[in-house]
Amino acid sequence: QQKVQQSPESLSVPEGGMASLNCTSSDRNFQYFWWYRQHSGEGPKALMSIFSDGDKKEGRFTAHLNKASLHVSLHIRDSQPSDSALYFCAASNDSGYNKLTFGKGTVLLVSP
Amino acid sequence: GALVYQYPRRTICKSGTSMRMECQAVGFQATSVAWYRQSPQKTFELIALSTVNSAIKYEQNFTQEKFPISHPNLSFSSMTVLNAYLEDRGLYLCGARVGTNTEVFFGKGTRLTVV
Repeated sequence: QQKVQQSPESLSVPEGGMASLNCTSSDRNFQYFWWYRQHSGEGPKALMSIFSDGDKKEGRFTAHLNKASLHVSLHIRDSQPSDSALYFCAASNDSGYNKLTFGKGTVLLVSP
Repeated sequence: GALVYQYPRRTICKSGTSMRMECQAVGFQATSVAWYRQSPQKTFELIALSTVNSAIKYEQNFTQEKFPISHPNLSFSSMTVLNAYLEDRGLYLCGARVGTNTEVFFGKGTRLTVV
């Protein structure tokens, strides 16, 4: 079973709209969550991390974490065509073997 | 800034042959390096994680005999795909970080095609 599940698989929003991406973990040991973005032909790049319950805002991006339900979301306000990319949720636990487990990703398309 | 360079960017090898790919961390000390393979469907598979002062740990379905990794210092790692076959095709990504629970910096990957 995939330990980090993302939804939707793909998402289309108009320029200026709000994009909402979801991620759920099946492993209660995961305590640290990241959102990564990958543009075509590039490696993934970290957008933001969230380790505590609640909201974390960085510019147009807001992440929300609910550890009780193992759910993390990413909301992109005022979406731009340059936000079109593949978005990954990634999680890790607090162990000496600090590996990052990725979800399958959400394709976001922002149309002008 | 922190950057990770991977080379070659793409390579083609004949079925049954081997190829080596390299990963260079610039601007930070890579205390841990992870090698991933991204499938054509964009799914990530962790191959192995190398942490300084610890043994390299391979994930299930990946072995040192097939994917030997070297991490000789805090700025360089290499991985070889031995005896490559069609199922080894994909984008091999190197991700490096300093410490734990910190940002992992990725290179642009090495795209392996097996013919």
